[in-house]
Amino acid sequence: DTAVSQTPKYLVTQMGNDKSIKCEQNLGHDTMYWYKQDSKKFLKIMFSYNNKELIINETVPNRFSPKSPDKAHLNLHINSLELGDSAVYFCASSQRSAGNTIYFGEGSWLTVV
Amino acid sequence: GEDVEQSLFLSVREGDSSVINCTYTDSSSTYLYWYKQEPGAGLQLLTYIFSNMDMKQDQRLTVLLNKKDKHLSLRIADTQTGDSAIYFCAESMTAAGNKLTFGGGTRVLVKP
Repeated sequence: DTAVSQTPKYLVTQMGNDKSIKCEQNLGHDTMYWYKQDSKKFLKIMFSYNNKELIINETVPNRFSPKSPDKAHLNLHINSLELGDSAVYFCASSQRSAGNTIYFGEGSWLTVV
Repeated sequence: GEDVEQSLFLSVREGDSSVINCTYTDSSSTYLYWYKQEPGAGLQLLTYIFSNMDMKQDQRLTVLLNKKDKHLSLRIADTQTGDSAIYFCAESMTAAGNKLTFGGGTRVLVKP
């Protein structure tokens, strides 16, 4: 009964590869997010979708492409992976009209070698 | 612009109270949050406070908000070893699509 679930939890891949991280929430929320946490633990938003519509797109390389097939899913696809993409990627969700409590997934640890 | 600052480290003895401080610059913040991250784990929402409140208490946690000084604090009463973690302060603004702006995190070490 996990609220926000991400897969995979750990991913080790070579430079130049393309990979995806999937996220699903069963909270009935209408807004989903991707955050990146770097090696110094700094957390920064990357994208946000509300009802499958992109509403926040921070300065993120074009190699990162989010896709929201429905309100309960927000996937992150990364092309041509670089060493600097190594980080923890957190998915989150919230209900915009309900006090904005934002819940995070457990994170996906991406290591690019 | 948005900027959220926290002290890097706090050491406290088991049973004492911990106080973690946070300052923010954007006066249009709607909500302010405290998240906890244990080693190798995700972000756990501890508590949050709406910007028109001064204080919120939830069991061992007390949040104080000073809007004039743009200062937020989290007090943990009777700190336990399980409270050792990184604590993140964050602000959000409805007008900005509810995105969270995080502080750099405060590492809390609870000594027995």
